[in-house]
Amino acid sequence: DQQVKQNSPSLSVQEGRISILNCDYTNSMFDYFLWYKKYPAEGPTFLISISSIKDKNEDGRFTVFLNKSAKHLSLHIVPSQPGDSAVYFCAASGNNDMRFGAGTRLTVKP
Amino acid sequence: DTAVSQTPKYLVTQMGNDKSIKCEQNLGHDTMYWYKQDSKKFLKIMFSYNNKELIINETVPNRFSPKSPDKAHLNLHINSLELGDSAVYFCASSQGFGTSGFNEQFFGPGTRLTVL
Repeated sequence: DQQVKQNSPSLSVQEGRISILNCDYTNSMFDYFLWYKKYPAEGPTFLISISSIKDKNEDGRFTVFLNKSAKHLSLHIVPSQPGDSAVYFCAASGNNDMRFGAGTRLTVKP
Repeated sequence: DTAVSQTPKYLVTQMGNDKSIKCEQNLGHDTMYWYKQDSKKFLKIMFSYNNKELIINETVPNRFSPKSPDKAHLNLHINSLELGDSAVYFCASSQGFGTSGFNEQFFGPGTRLTVL
């Protein structure tokens, strides 16, 4: 039961360009969304979050957009840097439940 | 100065054995979690503890039991290990549980369990 889906297992972009990672969810009870970044052999690290009362949250090069009607959120990284290369997990929470997507592997080429 | 630590990092064992994974956080958080990352790379929450009380218990087999001796520790005990238990297990912690259910969590480095 994949309530949170990241349909792109991988994404490759050129350094300096924009990276857009997408996430879809099915459970309308989710009202808080988070993005985590994971390097190999490390645990995920929190990147940015957004509450359902907002449609955009920005933190430096990272911006998360939420479209509640479409049950879709996206993470924009601009400009992308080689150090951003990692696996990005989308997570959704609400009603004492939390689900993660399967992750998208981002590769930023120099 | 590790915030959330897990031991061991790797664990290889035979089917039927009983094993434990330890987790400690030095962030002063009051909520700790265990996650399982399966072969398809999905992170699934198994347990969370808030103020030494279990507040979420997903439908994991009762062979898995979390033990929290104090607020800074949440250990995972697994009895009668099975092949399907092979996975990476992550411990995490957060301050509070959040009005929406979850706050931002800090994860440990993971423990790769291999059951032969």
